[in-house]
Amino acid sequence: DQQVKQNSPSLSVQEGRISILNCDYTNSMFDYFLWYKKYPAEGPTFLISISSIKDKNEDGRFTVFLNKSAKHLSLHIVPSQPGDSAVYFCAASEGFNKFYFGSGTKLNVKP
Amino acid sequence: DTGVSQDPRHKITKRGQNVTFRCDPISEHNRLYWYRQTLGQGPEFLTYFQNEAQLEKSRLLSDRFSAERPKGSFSTLEIQRTEQGDSAMYLCASSPSIGAAKNIQYFGAGTRLSVL
Repeated sequence: DQQVKQNSPSLSVQEGRISILNCDYTNSMFDYFLWYKKYPAEGPTFLISISSIKDKNEDGRFTVFLNKSAKHLSLHIVPSQPGDSAVYFCAASEGFNKFYFGSGTKLNVKP
Repeated sequence: DTGVSQDPRHKITKRGQNVTFRCDPISEHNRLYWYRQTLGQGPEFLTYFQNEAQLEKSRLLSDRFSAERPKGSFSTLEIQRTEQGDSAMYLCASSPSIGAAKNIQYFGAGTRLSVL
């Protein structure tokens, strides 16, 4: 049961421009959403999160937007840097017992 | 603290053999999770421990899979009678249950299993 979906397997962006990564979910009971970044040969690393009671959370160059009515969240990276090139996963949970991950979007930031 | 540690990093085994993986979480993290990740997919939840209690278990975790966390610290994941379909990256994550980081899972680098 694919409860969290990332429909874009890859994204290519020029350095300095905005990167927008998208994620859709089906379970309206999800109350917490997270973005993770993964480099090859490493485990995922936490990037930013948002509670279902908010619609926006910002941390430096990274902003996550949550649209509950559309069951959609997005991650904005501004400005994008070559070091941001990685695979990005969105994840969602209802409580903290179980987390559902999307299939990931590979971001390539070109110098 | 060096983060979540998983051992071994790589395991090659023959079909039908048993394998066991170990995870050492960040100290003081009482939540521990196991995931499986195959190529092109995101981590897929397998099981969750709070301290030594296994509170959640995916239906993906067949009878051949068992996980333990006997003293609420390290955890082991055992796969019996391995099959080629078990080939995957097995990830462990931990998190605290209180404080600002309670919603964040910290992942290990994983154990890559190849079943021949």
